Amino acid sequence: EIVMTQSPATLSVSPGERATLSCRASQSVNTNLAWYQQKFGQAPRLLIYAVSTRASGIPARFSGSGSGTDFTLTISSLQSEDFGVYYCQQYNNWPTYSFGQGTKLEIK
Amino acid sequence: QVTLRESGPALVKPTQTLTLTCTFSGFSLSTSGMSVSWVRQPPGKALEWLALIDWDQDTFYSTSLKTRLTISKDTYKNQVVLTMTNVDPMDTGTYFCARIGRDYGMDVWGPGTTVTVSS
Repeated sequence: EIVMTQSPATLSVSPGERATLSCRASQSVNTNLAWYQQKFGQAPRLLIYAVSTRASGIPARFSGSGSGTDFTLTISSLQSEDFGVYYCQQYNNWPTYSFGQGTKLEIK
Repeated sequence: QVTLRESGPALVKPTQTLTLTCTFSGFSLSTSGMSVSWVRQPPGKALEWLALIDWDQDTFYSTSLKTRLTISKDTYKNQVVLTMTNVDPMDTGTYFCARIGRDYGMDVWGPGTTVTVSS
């Protein structure tokens, strides 16, 4: 089973600043990686799939990069609505999936 | 517009069987490339993938839970059903269903249904 590890657990960033979230896989997942945003009390929302392709309606300030085992989600200029918990997810062994433990992005 | 909605009991006793239904609209699960998955989230914890059923009725399960889970679909009713046997308080949490498109991302989610396992 592929284990996904996210860092940091919590990230405090001021509005307008850049946020960088990391995700590491226990073995290569090639480019089979997605990112989700979850706000309190809501379902997750797909942000990015295939490492760097933004899902429909996702603003350009969200970008993804990486390959193999190390991945990054960058939010270029944080808006107030961007705070929440972010999860990475691998699907290299599709149709089975696994999620990271999440990074909480909070207001500084 | 694609929508999904989960339904099921809010409270289940330990050792009982939990049955959850995902009712969807806006797409067909008989269309090649379409799948529906179940994901759960214990209170305050991370997301956990549980099971998937695809357009061809193939089913796939989390390794750790596969002996307790069954996923099925009713194409005509636009429903996907997940059953979990022998529930335990550790199974308490919110259960989500999500559509998976050809890009493999879970692109539309239901709002979730909260299940508490307690005697």
